Amino acid sequence: AQSVTQPDIHITVSEGASLELRCNYSYGATPYLFWYVQSPGQGLQLLLKYFSGDTLVQGIKGFEAEFKRSQSSFNLRKPSVHWSDAAEYFCAVGASSAGKLIFGQGTTLQVKP
Amino acid sequence: DTGVSQDPRHKITKRGQNVTFRCDPISEHNRLYWYRQTLGQGPEFLTYFQNEAQLEKSRLLSDRFSAERPKGSFSTLEIQRTEQGDSAMYLCASSQPLVDEQFFGPGTRLTVL
Repeated sequence: AQSVTQPDIHITVSEGASLELRCNYSYGATPYLFWYVQSPGQGLQLLLKYFSGDTLVQGIKGFEAEFKRSQSSFNLRKPSVHWSDAAEYFCAVGASSAGKLIFGQGTTLQVKP
Repeated sequence: DTGVSQDPRHKITKRGQNVTFRCDPISEHNRLYWYRQTLGQGPEFLTYFQNEAQLEKSRLLSDRFSAERPKGSFSTLEIQRTEQGDSAMYLCASSQPLVDEQFFGPGTRLTVL
């Protein structure tokens, strides 16, 4: 069965600290992987995506993610968190670049001043 | 380009009533998706269209749910005989041919009393 697991429901980090959000997927074929961010009252915004090639991908707002096939993981990282990064983050997997997405349950990020 | 728009943004209804939501995709986006998001969960895929053709429906979409995209532009999602379990955020997204990003609207929040 296709699924995405985000083990951390809620994470709190201090402003300026580094961040890593975990994502594990189960997928029968080569996955297309995405990270989205959702701020209160806002729609989902794409942070970055991975289809093939270099396993370390760069996104917007200083985020990056690394695809590790052996671990079925696609963790999101940021070296220094800003207060404006507080939001909910979703990892998603798809069968192709334009098909339906399967989302994880999300990780809520809180940033302490 | 004003992004994906959804109407209404909020809907409160009584159990047993019918409701209809509208989604206007970004112009020239030929794919349109509907997702449902309940509190504390990631979005769940409901259905998607390529132009006016409905290509896939989730098993989550009971026979009380129907979606249309009659002219390949805007889409409507109707829920008949609403139940309290239908209370959720209904998200619409669109994408253009050969482009690997789904753009999400702000959603319609449905509350069934």
